[in-house]
Amino acid sequence: ILNVEQSPQSLHVQEGDSTNFTCSFPSSNFYALHWYRWETAKSPEALFVMTLNGDEKKKGRISATLNTKEGYSYLYIKGSQPEDSATYLCAPNTGFQKLVFGTGTRLLVSP
Amino acid sequence: NAGVTQTPKFQVLKTGQSMTLQCAQDMNHEYMSWYRQDPGMGLRLIHYSVGAGITDQGEVPNGYNVSRSTTEDFPLRLLSAAPSQTSVYFCASSYKGVGYEAYEQYFGPGTRLTVT
Repeated sequence: ILNVEQSPQSLHVQEGDSTNFTCSFPSSNFYALHWYRWETAKSPEALFVMTLNGDEKKKGRISATLNTKEGYSYLYIKGSQPEDSATYLCAPNTGFQKLVFGTGTRLLVSP
Repeated sequence: NAGVTQTPKFQVLKTGQSMTLQCAQDMNHEYMSWYRQDPGMGLRLIHYSVGAGITDQGEVPNGYNVSRSTTEDFPLRLLSAAPSQTSVYFCASSYKGVGYEAYEQYFGPGTRLTVT
């Protein structure tokens, strides 16, 4: 079973701060790296699906990078807003959409 | 589109009872999966399907059965409920794509199951 580690476990920042989290995984065979955003009492929603080494994705103030050779991905949030408060999950896709999820980084943004 | 729907939203079972968690999607997705979410752990894959008639085990399949008779539906059966199966269950679906393409998964709202 792939071991996926996310750090930090939780993070508390002030509105306007920029922040980043890390997803680490063994750099073995996988086809993509997924990032999901999970708000309390809701379901996970996809942020990015990254497929190439050196791939970078951006959606508004949120961006992500992927290094498949060394087995990590970074998620960046620029100018955090209270509505960014959520748990951020990463998951390597090991084929046939078999995702292995990390335990997530819980972000709290205070006004 | 309703997306991915799950029923029931909440369920309480006694040890030894059986039940089926329902999952349906209206996006014509080939791939469907069942996960369970437990405190302090990531989402763990129970079973998955790559198309109608084809299913396979995930990381934690013991105590669960699945079948996929149609593209739309992917029910999860608990054969003899145990307290260790108390969890939140999520169903997800995604487009298959071509070759090594990868697509996002769409998650249902979840079923909170308590086994006493």
